[in-house]
Amino acid sequence: AQSVSQHNHHVILSEAASLELGCNYSYGGTVNLFWYVQYPGQHLQLLLKYFSGDPLVKGIKGFEAEFIKSKFSFNLRKPSVQWSDTAEYFCAVRGGSYIPTFGRGTSLIVHP
Amino acid sequence: GAGVSQTPSNKVTEKGKYVELRCDPISGHTALYWYRQSLGQGPEFLIYFQGTGAADDSGLPNDRFFAVRPEGSVSTLKIQRTERGDSAVYLCASSPAPGELFFGEGSRLTVL
Repeated sequence: AQSVSQHNHHVILSEAASLELGCNYSYGGTVNLFWYVQYPGQHLQLLLKYFSGDPLVKGIKGFEAEFIKSKFSFNLRKPSVQWSDTAEYFCAVRGGSYIPTFGRGTSLIVHP
Repeated sequence: GAGVSQTPSNKVTEKGKYVELRCDPISGHTALYWYRQSLGQGPEFLIYFQGTGAADDSGLPNDRFFAVRPEGSVSTLKIQRTERGDSAVYLCASSPAPGELFFGEGSRLTVL
């Protein structure tokens, strides 16, 4: 069975700080990987995804993530966060089935 | 609208009552998913439809939970004899293919 671990449950940063959120998954085969974001009062929306090809994936709003197969990781990064990045971030993995499994999420608070 | 629509947005019920939650997916999306999200947790898979049939219902917690999608579009999640532990946000998502999920705003269920 596939599973996802997000080790940082709460992150607090000041504006312009760099961000890295950890995501590790367990699944032995080919995977699709996702990061979703949920802004306060809004629905979950896709930030970026990896299916194949270049392991460095760029998403919306300056976010990027790197798939490192040997480490079973798909960490999310942003070089300089903004107050508007305050949100919940969820990593998800889809392995052998059509069903993405989500991590428990990371709450990011960015102070202006 | 163009997005996934869920009704009701909020539902308060008493323990033991029957509840129905509705999901209207994006037109043309053949795949439909139900997830449940408790406070401080990530989305937890319940059931996945491909067309009219439930392709995977392994996430339904017990036989009080049931979902249908009779015409391959709108889906209804049905919960019988509700319990306080059923309180959560029920999320619906649709997808055109095995790809990213498009989520609705969710239905917040509170069982008193």
